[in-house]
Amino acid sequence: ILNVEQSPQSLHVQEGDSTNFTCSFPSSNFYALHWYRWETAKSPKALFVMTLNGDEKKKGRISATLNTKEGYSYLYIKGSQPEDSATYLCAVPRTQGGSEKLVFGKGTKLTVNP
Amino acid sequence: DGGITQSPKYLFRKEGQNVTLSCEQNLNHDAMYWYRQDPGQGLRLIYYSQIVNDFQKGDIAEGYSVSREKKESFPLTVTSAQKNPTAFYLCASSKGGWAYEQYFGPGTRLTVT
Repeated sequence: ILNVEQSPQSLHVQEGDSTNFTCSFPSSNFYALHWYRWETAKSPKALFVMTLNGDEKKKGRISATLNTKEGYSYLYIKGSQPEDSATYLCAVPRTQGGSEKLVFGKGTKLTVNP
Repeated sequence: DGGITQSPKYLFRKEGQNVTLSCEQNLNHDAMYWYRQDPGQGLRLIYYSQIVNDFQKGDIAEGYSVSREKKESFPLTVTSAQKNPTAFYLCASSKGGWAYEQYFGPGTRLTVT
């Protein structure tokens, strides 16, 4: 994997459902992985920054896991609520063309129906 | 209230005109970034600055210029050389280093006709 890939691209769930989505990234030279939540008409807000293989982080009903050896992270939302509707972005730092930067995936757009 | 601000929220310009987007932060962050978002694409890095008076090109720097004369300010100029300037522009800041989360401003939507 050369880029950061997120799946699915979009997801519709019912209120109360639990859901999860994936971020895949190059496993070589791993440094950190960021998850952001971007609600419509608002700024992206950081959820987690993860650096250690096997790390698991939790914030309320949202949790994330990290596997740096195989190059993926899962974001889980337990008991989805309409206010969880947002686009979830993941990003990893990469060195490309001599410069280092945060490379973002295209995001997973979650819609939670009441 | 600490935060990062961008102005204006919407900006309209005629083709051939340069335009400057403002980004200010009072978080005392060393690093600042400019991203561009286009439909169906991830955020792409235009320029970043790790410290005052220094900045580096990102993936898509052509047609853009920046300055970092003050720690709290990182304005972005979209020049007439930028082929497709119509987009949503996000500014961000962080403590510096890629293990720190980035704080984003509300964005500026630029439309060039």
